[in-house]
Amino acid sequence: DVKVTQSSRYLVKRTGEKVFLECVQDMDHENMFWYRQDPGLGLRLIYFSYDVKMKEKGDIPEGYSVSREKKERFSLILESASTNQTSMYLCASSLGVTGELFFGEGSRLTVL
Amino acid sequence: AQSVSQHNHHVILSEAASLELGCNYSYGGTVNLFWYVQYPGQHLQLLLKYFSGDPLVKGIKGFEAEFIKSKFSFNLRKPSVQWSDTAEYFCAPRNGNTGKLIFGQGTTLQVKP
Repeated sequence: DVKVTQSSRYLVKRTGEKVFLECVQDMDHENMFWYRQDPGLGLRLIYFSYDVKMKEKGDIPEGYSVSREKKERFSLILESASTNQTSMYLCASSLGVTGELFFGEGSRLTVL
Repeated sequence: AQSVSQHNHHVILSEAASLELGCNYSYGGTVNLFWYVQYPGQHLQLLLKYFSGDPLVKGIKGFEAEFIKSKFSFNLRKPSVQWSDTAEYFCAPRNGNTGKLIFGQGTTLQVKP
């Protein structure tokens, strides 16, 4: 079974702090994604990556950056957290451009 | 711009009732279509998908969806829901050229026993 693991299930941070969200997949997938999930808005794509050291902006990249130094790991970085970044963050991976997405369990971030 | 709309935000049904959740997308080119489900406390998982061929596709747990190209729709159906179908359901069309996948707002289904 594909496993996508997000390092932190729950985080509480203060405004202005730097936040790292880590995601690791164990199935050698080329593609990795970061979404945020908010009630009534569904999932919105923040960033995605089709290969190591490669990244593409999604629909809402402002305030976020990403890092993909190894194929299995995709990190989401909030350089200076703000209260409007309080949300559920979901990492996903897929094999190929048309493959289904496999999701992690999510990281719920609260910014005070 | 590519967009997707799910018509129902919150649906409440009794067990054994039939279910249909609407999904319309805006992209007119090659499209792949997915329905994902999120059960309470669990991660998102694939319910069913359509790439090509028979427009009526069957997924897990008795769900099916019909792709109607002329209506840009991919509605999800189940003839008889169970309490265990209580979950949030997301329609997700993918642009077949760019690979970009977008999600609808989600529909929360509550099934009363």
